[in-house]
Amino acid sequence: EADIYQTPRYLVIGTGKKITLECSQTMGHDKMYWYQQDPGMELHLIHYSYGVNSTEKGDLSSESTVSRIRTEHFPLTLESARPSHTSQYLCASSESRRESYTFGSGTRLTVV
Amino acid sequence: QKEVEQDPGPLSVPEGAIVSLNCTYSNSAFQYFMWYRQYSRKGPELLMYTYSSGNKEDGRFTAQVDKSSKYISLFIRDSQPSDSATYLCAMSDYGGATNKLIFGTGTLLAVQP
Repeated sequence: EADIYQTPRYLVIGTGKKITLECSQTMGHDKMYWYQQDPGMELHLIHYSYGVNSTEKGDLSSESTVSRIRTEHFPLTLESARPSHTSQYLCASSESRRESYTFGSGTRLTVV
Repeated sequence: QKEVEQDPGPLSVPEGAIVSLNCTYSNSAFQYFMWYRQYSRKGPELLMYTYSSGNKEDGRFTAQVDKSSKYISLFIRDSQPSDSATYLCAMSDYGGATNKLIFGTGTLLAVQP
């Protein structure tokens, strides 16, 4: 079944740790996105990619980095986690010429 | 001023009620309008997709776009407890200056049995 998968679903980690949030999709979509979602706030785009070896920063300043070595895989890395990084992180993908996004179930990150 | 404004709610209605969810926007270049539904602890899922102005119906759901007023709506008829979720509007001018989806803050809906 074509889908988009995020792991882990929940993560509690100490300050200063390096973490990688995984995102994989089986739909062959060219475009992939990372959003940050906080309660009562709109989704903020933090990174996006239009294809392999293409990555761009989004509208919301983020200390995270991303890579796109394979079409299906778009991991997000925090080199040194801080409590301010506590949030829900949503990964999404879309076909190159379509506008609707398919979202993963999200990773809820808590940094203590 | 935010590009997209959405009443956060929460909105509580009895089962069977007609629900109206709304968003306003400021960018007249937006042409693609979407509604996503997000259940608790899940990612958003596409509910309705419309291009430019007009209405679109899908079962109990109707999406309306009024570009002259920069106003979009989602109507839910005969609401069910399973409709309880957060509803997010989203829009874009794809190919234009924005070229990305802009989301509203979401409206939390609770349908009481």
